[in-house]
Parts: sequence; C-alpha cells; structure tokens
Amino acid sequence: QSALTQPASVSGSPGQSITISCTGTSSDVANYDLVSWYQQHPGKAPKLMIYEATKRPSGVSGRFSGSRSGNTASLTISGLQAEDEADYYCSSYAHISTVVFGGGTSLTVL
Amino acid sequence: EVQLVESGGGLVQPGRPLRLSCAASGFKFDDYAMHWVRQGPGKGLEWVSGISWNSANINYADSVRGRFTISRDNAKNSLYLQVNSLRPEDTALYYCAKSSGGRGYFLKDFDYWGQGTLVTVSS
Repeated sequence: QSALTQPASVSGSPGQSITISCTGTSSDVANYDLVSWYQQHPGKAPKLMIYEATKRPSGVSGRFSGSRSGNTASLTISGLQAEDEADYYCSSYAHISTVVFGGGTSLTVL
Repeated sequence: EVQLVESGGGLVQPGRPLRLSCAASGFKFDDYAMHWVRQGPGKGLEWVSGISWNSANINYADSVRGRFTISRDNAKNSLYLQVNSLRPEDTALYYCAKSSGGRGYFLKDFDYWGQGTLVTVSS
C-alpha cells in the first residue's frame, strides 16, 4: 500500500490557475476511476472536492476540476482565491478493497 | 444535516487498548459503508479500516491488521474501532468517514468526515 505521489507544495497568485498532480501505479490510479481529491484547512476535517476523478459534489465551486490519464490524476484550480489556500490530498481505490492517499500538497496563494 | 462525532481518544501507554466510537446522524446509517482514516501530527491522511453497511465486508490497512477491529451497530447508528497493542506510531487524529454510493459500494469516496478524536500513545 504505497502512497500516491504528490508535489509537496505549489503556489499561485490570485486569479491564476494551478494544477496538482497525483501519480500512482497500475494497482490504483491507472486501473480505477475512483480517484478523489480532498481539501483540508488547518485544524479542520478534510472536505471532498472531486470524486470519480472528474466529478464535483454539489456545493463545490466550478473552479475546481479533475482529470485522469494513465497512472496520473490531476486537480486544477482556476481563478485562485485566498480561501483556496489549504492542503490537498488525492486518494484512489486500490486492489483488494483498500484506499491509498497521496502525501498531500500545500497550496499557497501568494 | 449529516453529523459524525468521534469520541474515545486520549493518552494511552504503549501496548494498552482503546475503543473509539463514532455517532452518526442526519442520514440512513445502515445504507452506507463507514471508514476510519487517521492523520499523524503534521502528517498526511492514512486509511485505517472500513466496514460495509451490513458488516459482511471488512478490511484493514496492513499497518493495523491484527491489532485493530472495526465494528458497527446499525441500531445505534454507531461505528467503532477497537485498537489494541498500541504503538507510538499509532499516535494520530482518528477520523470517522462516510462512504458515498450506498449499499453497493464498500469503498468509493468519503463524502462526510467527523472532526476526529486524538489518540496519543506514550509512556
């Protein structure tokens, strides 16, 4: 159950777009479209932002979008806002009914 | 409104047991799989264990298999995690999380999370 690989940090200015990558293997990201993205503000519980790689739960801003190609999933945030500053985690269903998370990416809005 | 409220955490010596609980409300508890996810201090998220709506399907992360036991009581809308043989590396905030998708799904995504209960393992 190796963790998915995410960049430790990304940054962007207000109004810009950023993309966070999430790299897995043929045992998880490449083989299942059950990739999710979570946003976590300091001291708060994670919040589901993207599910099934590309779908947005109701109530989540349309500025958040997800994609998946091969063993890499991506989260894109467009029109960056100060409130987007948080940690972001990807996760994927993995074989034998387990879930693997990425190490997390800290987003700084400059 | 969906609410998940964890309890049972605390300071415990290595090797001692602890029982974590999660009280659920605001949704039909027995329609969904439930999971425990933990987060060590300053660390990322780690899936710990999951249980299907009817307890027929249960699974654990390799790091806790054989030491932790997940269970649920649908009549009480409650989820539990019995944690035995605790190690310092088990120190973490333990979140209760609801799986989306209904009875047909054991693991999909976690659409609601509690605020967590802190377990600190130290002598």
